[in-house]
Amino acid sequence: DTGVSQNPRHKITKRGQNVTFRCDPISEHNRLYWYRQTLGQGPEFLTYFQNEAQLEKSRLLSDRFSAERPKGSFSTLEIQRTEQGDSAMYLCASSPPFPRGDTQYFGPGTRLTVL
Amino acid sequence: AQKVTQAQTEISVVEKEDVTLDCVYETRDTTYYLFWYKQPPSGELVFLIRRNSFDEQNEISGRYSWNFQKSTSSFNFTITASQVVDSAVYFCALSESTIRSDNDMRLTNDMRFGAGTRLTVKP
Repeated sequence: DTGVSQNPRHKITKRGQNVTFRCDPISEHNRLYWYRQTLGQGPEFLTYFQNEAQLEKSRLLSDRFSAERPKGSFSTLEIQRTEQGDSAMYLCASSPPFPRGDTQYFGPGTRLTVL
Repeated sequence: AQKVTQAQTEISVVEKEDVTLDCVYETRDTTYYLFWYKQPPSGELVFLIRRNSFDEQNEISGRYSWNFQKSTSSFNFTITASQVVDSAVYFCALSESTIRSDNDMRLTNDMRFGAGTRLTVKP
């Protein structure tokens, strides 16, 4: 069990550019979550996958954001036409299938800076 | 709507002191889960504890203990004999649960976090 991994760890981009982040969950965890955390705040839920299906999506997630989990393993989060307000830490978490529990285990995050 | 309040923004203690981090929550559900996570300077959220709403028994794990009181909607976290390595931001979180008509409990995945309490333990 190597834990949740995220790549890249840091991303600096110019406003208007597209960026893509990757999350590899703990193996055998079929549930995967994306959160966003800004400085001094707790994480905010963005979206949730069970296997390859995206089951929930927060109102925080604008049309410029899209997440995929095509094979039910790793997931990608893409932000198109980035804005300065998108600067944040993007966290990924995974949890095992029911009924093994619903604790979410978090990755180290990808810190996005939009200039 | 669910809500988590951590009124203490920052706490500073001297090593070996005991410290309690407060967490108050709001939910309309009768079934829910409460969590505490630690976020050290490295940034990665570390799971500490999960408690379901039917289990009000307090828990102790080494120097950590948790006091869950439904009557006051609180889930407070105490560190005994604090150490410098305890310095971090601590988050309390709430996840509601929905029981479907066939009594198959489903956990809502929208976990709500408090704003966090920054704990600094000085040597």
